[in-house]
Amino acid sequence: QSVLTQPPSVSGAPGQRVTISCSGSSSNIEAGYDVHWYQQLPGTAPRLLISGDNNRPSGVPDRFSGSKSGASASLAITGLQAEDEADYYCQSYDSSLSGWAVFGGGTKLTVL
Amino acid sequence: EVQLVESGGGLVQPGRSLRLSCAASGFTFDDYAMHWVRQAPGKGLEWVSGISWNSGGIDYADSVKGRFTISRDNAKNSLYLQMNSLRAEDTALYHCAKDEEVAGTWGNAFDIWGQGTMVTVSS
Repeated sequence: QSVLTQPPSVSGAPGQRVTISCSGSSSNIEAGYDVHWYQQLPGTAPRLLISGDNNRPSGVPDRFSGSKSGASASLAITGLQAEDEADYYCQSYDSSLSGWAVFGGGTKLTVL
Repeated sequence: EVQLVESGGGLVQPGRSLRLSCAASGFTFDDYAMHWVRQAPGKGLEWVSGISWNSGGIDYADSVKGRFTISRDNAKNSLYLQMNSLRAEDTALYHCAKDEEVAGTWGNAFDIWGQGTMVTVSS
């Protein structure tokens, strides 16, 4: 059970906007530690989508955006496309745990 | 091209050892911390271990502490994970990943990932 909680699944139709939440606590997200987001297409390695809460690495479409408020963070995807169907993971740091990183449990995005 | 290529995985009996390697290319390896992240079949990502650019900082997940040892050879642009006393629950695809920040350690994003090497622990 991860300290970062994500919904197991979300879905949306092509063209729609979806959000994926990442809920934490006072020892991780609420403490101000950065939240990062990854996309993992079936059978591939994770790809960095958003770093430092809301920064898109080069090559990531601006349809993807990140935000953070309080103890939660969100990944928003606008103009949903079939190729966005993948697993999405949030990542942060937790000061109450040993280790340099914690991941959320992951969210499966289905494009209807 | 920036690339990470893992090797060394395989089928191993419980209690035995295995050493994973990760060959880096296309970036200044000794500027960055490196990490191992694993993914059990059908499960999510789990951070396993990280090592700073100069090996001065090292940490492990509680699940592997005392059994796994991370190391790096900057002259060879290589990262390693020595896994001892392997258990069935260590069965996973092991990815090496590059820290996004120069001289970073904890809390940063992982901007480059290898495809992974599969470790199966079974009798």
